[in-house]
Amino acid sequence: NAGVMQNPRHLVRRRGQEARLRCSPMKGHSHVYWYRQLPEEGLKFMVYLQKENIIDESGMPKERFSAEFPKEGPSILRIQQVVRGDSAAYFCASSRGQGPQSSYNEQFFGPGTRLTVL
Amino acid sequence: DQQVKQNSPSLSVQEGRISILNCDYTNSMFDYFLWYKKYPAEGPTFLISISSIKDKNEDGRFTVFLNKSAKHLSLHIVPSQPGDSAVYFCAASANYGQNFVFGPGTRLSVLP
Repeated sequence: NAGVMQNPRHLVRRRGQEARLRCSPMKGHSHVYWYRQLPEEGLKFMVYLQKENIIDESGMPKERFSAEFPKEGPSILRIQQVVRGDSAAYFCASSRGQGPQSSYNEQFFGPGTRLTVL
Repeated sequence: DQQVKQNSPSLSVQEGRISILNCDYTNSMFDYFLWYKKYPAEGPTFLISISSIKDKNEDGRFTVFLNKSAKHLSLHIVPSQPGDSAVYFCAASANYGQNFVFGPGTRLSVLP
């Protein structure tokens, strides 16, 4: 029973390049969330997606960042023209759905992708 | 403006004693709360949750208490074990939503 998978675990990019982070949710989970953790800070919500739909992107920077969760394949967080301030750990989580039952709301996290921008 | 606060960045406790981690929130719309534990270089691991219709939830050595009037929740770990040493995050959402707001975390060290 594989958990949430993220790859790559570590990604190094030079300023101006593009970063693509991938997330495969747990089996049976159709909801995906992306969080960013800056050094010495907590997790910051970025975006919530269901298959082929962005549900809530209130935490996404307005420029250079985009996310998708296609019908087939993993969810992708894409950062264009990376800058040094994008260096962080990016975590993906998945859940079964939404509802009052706690089992639906529990978000299971992947191991994260640590992005370093040189 | 931090909606979820964990005012103690770190806490040290002797093995076998109780660990109490605190979390305060400002948004009165929050009605669902989670605690996560995080080891270095790993993703957060879900520990325990509580909804606003309860004031206590227990799971083994972990108990979460919710005081809605004070907008305060706490996680109790009894007895504390060295393997509990990690960073603990509380998270909150409104309307059982999926947009969880995380606190900055408290680093717990359980000393043998």
